[in-house]
Amino acid sequence: QVQLEESGGGVVQPGRSLRLSCAVFGFTLSDYTMHWVRQAPGKGLQGVATISSNGANKFYADSVKGRFTISRDTSKNTLYLEMNSLRAEDTALYYCGRVTRWGRGTLVTVSS
Amino acid sequence: DIVMTQTPLSLSVTPGQPASISCKSSQSLLHSNGRTYLYWYLQKPGQSPQLLIYEVSNRFSGVPDRFSGSGSGTDFTLRISRVEAEDVGVYYCMQSIQFPPGFGQGTKVEIK
Repeated sequence: QVQLEESGGGVVQPGRSLRLSCAVFGFTLSDYTMHWVRQAPGKGLQGVATISSNGANKFYADSVKGRFTISRDTSKNTLYLEMNSLRAEDTALYYCGRVTRWGRGTLVTVSS
Repeated sequence: DIVMTQTPLSLSVTPGQPASISCKSSQSLLHSNGRTYLYWYLQKPGQSPQLLIYEVSNRFSGVPDRFSGSGSGTDFTLRISRVEAEDVGVYYCMQSIQFPPGFGQGTKVEIK
């Protein structure tokens, strides 16, 4: 059964860092292109980062380029999002997923 | 970046009546491999997005046949033949010909 479980969210001060994790079950990460998308409170969905199935290609939204890094550990079947220099506008529910399935999300709040 | 534009942004529908949502992309979503990377999701209140339609017109597993998708190139439509109470939520179109994936603004569907 396909499942994705995000973790690592929390309250963090502006300028600090946070690493999100996404453990996947029921499929192999190396078989799929994987994404992080986010949803600010009361707003729509925004694509944040993508990693190709072979892990060689990574793509970022302009708003996070140079600050966020997507990666994966295939031995742990886990996807990551390293977030540095966080800003108030990064406050959102972060979902990991592939096109056919998304996790429940983990909430990141950037506030002093 | 590809801009996805949905209309209308909200819809109030009588149960049993049809509904239709339009999604236009600023660039063609037709890949050189012949596939068109346009998806439709429903996000019910408090839940993560759930896939309804993939690659324009293919219903995802378990999706009722009252949902259908059509279109090509830059112009797409989601139709619900007879709206039911459980169809309330926000509908999003998404493109994944470019990464990270891009979403329309969302169409909020409520029941009259």
